[in-house]
Amino acid sequence: GQNIDQPTEMTATEGAIVQINCTYQTSGFNGLFWYQQHAGEAPTFLSYNVLDGLEEKGRFSSFLSRSKGYSYLLLKELQMKDSASYLCAVRDFSNTGKLIFGQGTTLQVKP
Amino acid sequence: GAGVSQSPSNKVTEKGKDVELRCDPISGHTALYWYRQSLGQGLEFLIYFQGNSAPDKSGLPSDRFSAERTGGSVSTLTIQRTQQEDSAVYLCASSPGPASQETQYFGPGTRLLVL
Repeated sequence: GQNIDQPTEMTATEGAIVQINCTYQTSGFNGLFWYQQHAGEAPTFLSYNVLDGLEEKGRFSSFLSRSKGYSYLLLKELQMKDSASYLCAVRDFSNTGKLIFGQGTTLQVKP
Repeated sequence: GAGVSQSPSNKVTEKGKDVELRCDPISGHTALYWYRQSLGQGLEFLIYFQGNSAPDKSGLPSDRFSAERTGGSVSTLTIQRTQQEDSAVYLCASSPGPASQETQYFGPGTRLLVL
């Protein structure tokens, strides 16, 4: 079966660092995506990992361990505008490229 | 150019009525996806179109759901005899193609409420 787990909610303080974890068990693996979704808006692409290791993009970094079925999204120097849902998604081996999503983690950044 | 657009942005309908949801993908993108996001749930894959190939309909929840893509561009998702459990946000996404590192670009969604 397909299973992707993320914490439902997290709270952090402005200026701090937060790590959002994602574990997955899927029948195939062809890359892992992180998306950001503000309330009432479309998901927007943050990062993509297909090989083990850390990908850094400004304040955001994403890590992948394929052997452990584990990824995390690291957000540094948190800003109020980072309050949003963060979606972890795995692409399977099918030639469709369809994504299997977790339920998303709602992050609230407090002053 | 413009991103993925969807219409209507909101739709309220009565149980048993049919609805049509429209998606305009990014120009030149050959792959198009429909997902559904129910309250408190993750995005659920519904259907996939790639060029002129037969669509992957494996995610459609029932035969009341159908979709088509005309001319390799605009897509319409149709829900017949709507039920209250169909209430959700329906998101469309497109990508240059299905493979490798190409991410999917999402539209703003259609919020469907079935009374």
